Amino acid sequence: AQKITQTQPGMFVQEKEAVTLDCTYDTSDQSYGLFWYKQPSSGEMIFLIYQGSYDEQNATEGRYSLNFQKARKSANLVISASQLGDSAMYFCAMREGNYGQNFVFGPGTRLSVLP
Amino acid sequence: DTEVTQTPKHLVMGMTNKKSLKCEQHMGHRAMYWYKQKAKKPPELMFVYSYEKLSINESVPSRFSPECPNSSLLNLHLHALQPEDSALYLCASSPSTVLFSYEQYFGPGTRLTVT
Repeated sequence: AQKITQTQPGMFVQEKEAVTLDCTYDTSDQSYGLFWYKQPSSGEMIFLIYQGSYDEQNATEGRYSLNFQKARKSANLVISASQLGDSAMYFCAMREGNYGQNFVFGPGTRLSVLP
Repeated sequence: DTEVTQTPKHLVMGMTNKKSLKCEQHMGHRAMYWYKQKAKKPPELMFVYSYEKLSINESVPSRFSPECPNSSLLNLHLHALQPEDSALYLCASSPSTVLFSYEQYFGPGTRLTVT
């Protein structure tokens, strides 16, 4: 069963507008971490933001914020004031439990920012 | 220094060749990972090294042979590959595999083409 679901294969947003990328996850662990990565066409995976399962506040990093709704098992990424350089593939990922050795990645959402 | 380096950036090899991919980090991380990523797909975990010991091998064919000579260096030896092995190979590191909160830092990847 897929542990990470990203239902939007592709999204478009106008420059300077905000956009929300959806991510839902499935786990029975109490301890887990949720991560968002950006992958431009160059291929490098760039870490954006992290949310721990015990964190009560939503994580924020500059223009990125994570809308964490634990009961609904969702961890949506919000990008404010989109820029042309935000055009990329975005992956939601999860690491379960202590001693969890690998990430599980979602299928990704391709974001295109329009001028 | 939060950098993971990978060489070469691009590699074209025939099915009878032997080649190696190299990954290096100087962040003092004790966990290192190899991922394979096909176009428009998320990364798939291949191998995990924890404290220089192989801890996960995700049923990867023996034509891929990982090696961790020391805590900063990770190699992937390639032999008798198939055209379907053409992909982006990503290396990543994290402080350890213990806590779920540790993000992975990725290198820029090696684009491999098998002819």
